[in-house]
Parts: sequence; C-alpha cells; structure tokens
Amino acid sequence: DAKTTQPNSMESNEEEPVHLPCNHSTISGTDYIHWYRQLPSQGPEYVIHGLTSNVNNRMASLAIAEDRKSSTLILHRATLRDAAVYYCILNTGTASKLTFGTGTRLQVTL
Amino acid sequence: AAGVIQSPRHLIKEKRETATLKCYPIPRHDTVYWYQQGPGQDPQFLISFYEKMQSDKGSIPDRFSAQQFSDYHSELNMSSLELGDSALYFCASSFWGAKNIQYFGAGTRLSVL
Repeated sequence: DAKTTQPNSMESNEEEPVHLPCNHSTISGTDYIHWYRQLPSQGPEYVIHGLTSNVNNRMASLAIAEDRKSSTLILHRATLRDAAVYYCILNTGTASKLTFGTGTRLQVTL
Repeated sequence: AAGVIQSPRHLIKEKRETATLKCYPIPRHDTVYWYQQGPGQDPQFLISFYEKMQSDKGSIPDRFSAQQFSDYHSELNMSSLELGDSALYFCASSFWGAKNIQYFGAGTRLSVL
C-alpha cells in the first residue's frame, strides 16, 4: 500500500478554517485519496474522497495537488464537534481494506 | 438512514474463553470488513467478505475466524482469548460499486480479563 504522511497534531480556533495536509509521494495512478475521521469513542467516519480534481461536499473540501503527491482537507469553519483524528488513506476504489496511518489529531478550541 | 449495527457493544471475557461479535451491514451493501483498534492505536484491518466469500485478509490471528451469511450479516469468532485481544472491534460495510466508501459501526469493546 502506498504510504501517506500527516502531521501528528494540529490546533484550530472555533469557526476558523482548518487545512489538514497529507503527503503521498508514491501514489499510483489508480489510487483514490480518501479522508476519514474518528471522533472520540466512535467508529471512523467517511469524510470525502477524490482522484484528480478538487472535491466539495457538505462536510469538507479536498484540494489535490496537480502532481497528486499531496492533498489538503479543508474544513471551512471548524467547530468543537470537528475535534477528531483525521486519516488520509490511499485506496484503489475497489472493495479493498483501508490502511490507517497515524492520522492528524485536530484540537479545536473556543 | 440505516447504519451498520454491531452487537454486543461491550463484552467482557476471561482468558481462554471464546467470543462472537456480530455485524449487520447497511441494507444492500455487499461487502463487510472487520478492523481491530487496540488502546491508543489506529484501526488495523483484519478480514473482509464480498458476497459471502472472503475477499481479503490482514493481520488476523489463526484463533480468529469470520464468515458472512446469506443475509449479508457477518460474525467474527474469537477463541482462546488472550489479554492482548482487548480492543475495539469495528465492522464496516460498503457497496462494491461505490468507490470503496466504507461505513463503520459503533464498535464492540472487548475486554479480556
């Protein structure tokens, strides 16, 4: 599995935008970039995914570099409920396992 | 909307006992995955099933077995339990054609004493 690298932790103030980076320099052409998050005491939760183009949904935006070697998850207005571990995962798009790395622990403060 | 249902939510067992964890996927989802998350660790893939056939296998101990039934629910059977098996066990489901977006259950917390 191609490897991803994320900062261990980040902090944000509530209602400010948050940019969570992910490096994946060995990504292959068929790898989708998936983001999941895990809130305390809950199962992981799908956030967003993309292949080449930037993507938006109700939860977040995903900005993908032109060479696809990095991506950024953007939370437009962080709330206290967004405090979680965010995982950037490469996936082939078929029914295959998710390989969780260490993720980024996001702390949101008032 | 219906979510992935796992039972039981909590389970306490003694060493060398057996445990069975159950997972009911989202309706019409055909693929089920099992993950283990030890204390302070990230989720690790154990095993998956597509249309009742094992589709992939991760670091699952030989003491563990799993299957997917005709109604698509899945069970993870764990025998000769060890203290190190204490963990959160998550089940996830997906639909084959949906770019592998996986939906997770709330997990079963297994404590082995």
